This record gives sequence, C-alpha cells and structure tokens, in this order.
Amino acid sequence: QQQVKQSPQSLIVQKGGISIINCAYENTAFDYFPWYQQFPGKGPALLIAIRPDVSEKKEGRFTISFNKSAKQFSLHIMDSQPGDSATYFCAASISGSARQLTFGSGTQLTVLP
Amino acid sequence: DADVTQTPRNRITKTGKRIMLECSQTKGHDRMYWYRQDPGLGLRLIYYSFDVKDINKGEISDGYSVSRQAQAKFSLSLESAIPNQTALYFCATGDYNSYNEQFFGPGTRLTVL
Repeated sequence: QQQVKQSPQSLIVQKGGISIINCAYENTAFDYFPWYQQFPGKGPALLIAIRPDVSEKKEGRFTISFNKSAKQFSLHIMDSQPGDSATYFCAASISGSARQLTFGSGTQLTVLP
Repeated sequence: DADVTQTPRNRITKTGKRIMLECSQTKGHDRMYWYRQDPGLGLRLIYYSFDVKDINKGEISDGYSVSRQAQAKFSLSLESAIPNQTALYFCATGDYNSYNEQFFGPGTRLTVL
C-alpha cells in the first residue's frame, strides 16, 4: 500500500538546470511533508519540510511547492550542482500520531558537470 | 563521533541463521526506529520504540524482532534469515521536541545467501 507516490525514479540534469521531483499522497490526514536527501553510503538526512498551511517554502536553492487540493507536493532544486547528486525521498506524517514517516520510493538525481 | 551508530556496517550470512543488528545513539532522543531500504520501494518501517518499555510494530515487522536495552540502544534481530531480507537497514532516532524530524544512522548492508 503505497500512500506516498514519488516520481520520477531517476533524473538526469545538467549543471545549472532545475531539478523537479514530484510526490502525491492519498491520506488527507497527513500534515507534515519533509524531503530527505541521501548520499551513497550514508543515511538519509532532512533537507527541507513543509506543513499544509503554506503553499511554498524556500531554503536556498531548494523549494517545496505544496498543492493541498491536488494532494501533491514537489521539490525544486534551482541551479542544480554536481554535489546535489543523491537520492531524494519525499515523506509524510500525521501530527500527534506515532510520528511515523511514510516515505516515497525515492528519486536518484544525477547532475552532470 | 557520529550521533547514531550502527554495527555491523556490512554482513553476509546464510539462510536460517540468526542475525542481530545494533544501533546506538548519543543524541539523547527517546524515539528509535528501524527501517529497511530496497531499490524502488523507499524506506519501510519495521519497528519503532518511544522508550525502553514501549515497542511497536511497523509496516513490515514479520520475520523481525527488536529489543530496546536502554534509551540509547535499539537492536533488530532476524530470528531465521531468508534471502528476501537482503536489504539496507537503517536505524533512526527522533525527539518529541523536534517534531517529526528523524536522524538516521549510516546503515547496515545485509546479504542473506
């Protein structure tokens, strides 16, 4: 039961380009939507997160766009750099629950120099 | 020193063997989690614990057991390993005050022959 669907599975972008990763969720009770970044040989680490009371959150080159009515959210990486090459996971959780994160299937991003 | 450590980092074992993966944390967090990562499936929750006396099953607990020996230690056991348990296993910690952010260890790559 995939409650958070992520696409694409892999993405190749030229340096300086925009990387866009999309996620869709089914459970309308979700109210916290983080993105995790994972480098090879490392565990995932929180990159940026958003709550549904805002439609966009920006931190440096990374932006989350959130569409509550469509139950979709996306990660935009502006001016993509080779150092951004990693696997990205979207996730969702419910406040007051066991703080369980439901993860998407992951996107392997490669930024070409 | 790393905040969340996992041992071993790599393990190859045979079908039917009992295996224990260990996780230790110095973050002082009360919540600990075990996930497995498979290509194309993202991260799936196996077990989680809110304190030493609290153990909860996650999405895919069958074939696994856990022990919370202390606030800082959470171990995952495979009582009788089978090949489809070959995966990357991650331990994570969380804190009530850090909302839903989870902090991941470096992972254990387990191969069951």
